[in-house]
Amino acid sequence: EAGVTQFPSHSVIEKGQTVTLRCDPISGHDNLYWYRRVMGKEIKFLLHFVKESKQDESGMPNNRFLAERTGGTYSTLKVQPAELEDSGVYFCASSHLQGPDTQYFGPGTRLTVL
Amino acid sequence: AQRVTQPEKLLSVFKGAPVELKCNYSYSGSPELFWYVQYSRQRLQLLLRHISRESIKGFTADLNKGETSFHLKKPFAQEEDSAMYYCALSSASNTGKLIFGQGTTLQVKP
Repeated sequence: EAGVTQFPSHSVIEKGQTVTLRCDPISGHDNLYWYRRVMGKEIKFLLHFVKESKQDESGMPNNRFLAERTGGTYSTLKVQPAELEDSGVYFCASSHLQGPDTQYFGPGTRLTVL
Repeated sequence: AQRVTQPEKLLSVFKGAPVELKCNYSYSGSPELFWYVQYSRQRLQLLLRHISRESIKGFTADLNKGETSFHLKKPFAQEEDSAMYYCALSSASNTGKLIFGQGTTLQVKP
């Protein structure tokens, strides 16, 4: 079974630019989660999709972040405009069942904003 | 407030020694507790969850509701256990989002 994939693996951009991260969940997983680990801090929840609907976006830092999951398959997370404090590793995870089910993580995208 | 605390950033032991990675949580409802592990150059993966009561790779963890703890233990550490370990909680009443601790790096020396 193919795992969760994320693209790109690394991204280096300048402050003020736009970056779009992509996540492809495991086929058949309706639940898709985004998390972020900022240097030196814990992994923090950003948002949760069930199919194409945003179930919980309480962790989104501000309106510079926009997540979509059109068609309920892959998801994108756009940061526009990027700021220095957005640097970190962005993880995507998917699960079959909603609630406290096992989440399968992607390898992460390392974002560096200069 | 929902919180997971892993007090040790780094735990260094010799091969064959017992290991205990500490995890304490703060949660008002009925949490589900997990341990996730990230080996070098690999993705984050589930190690075990309290509800399944399994022993994975020789690791066990018992949920102690009185002490609000979910410490991870292994009687004899192996070099291949060296990794970053994250304790996390979720709840049946929420969407399944995970709340992570800060993580503990386990270093097993030969």
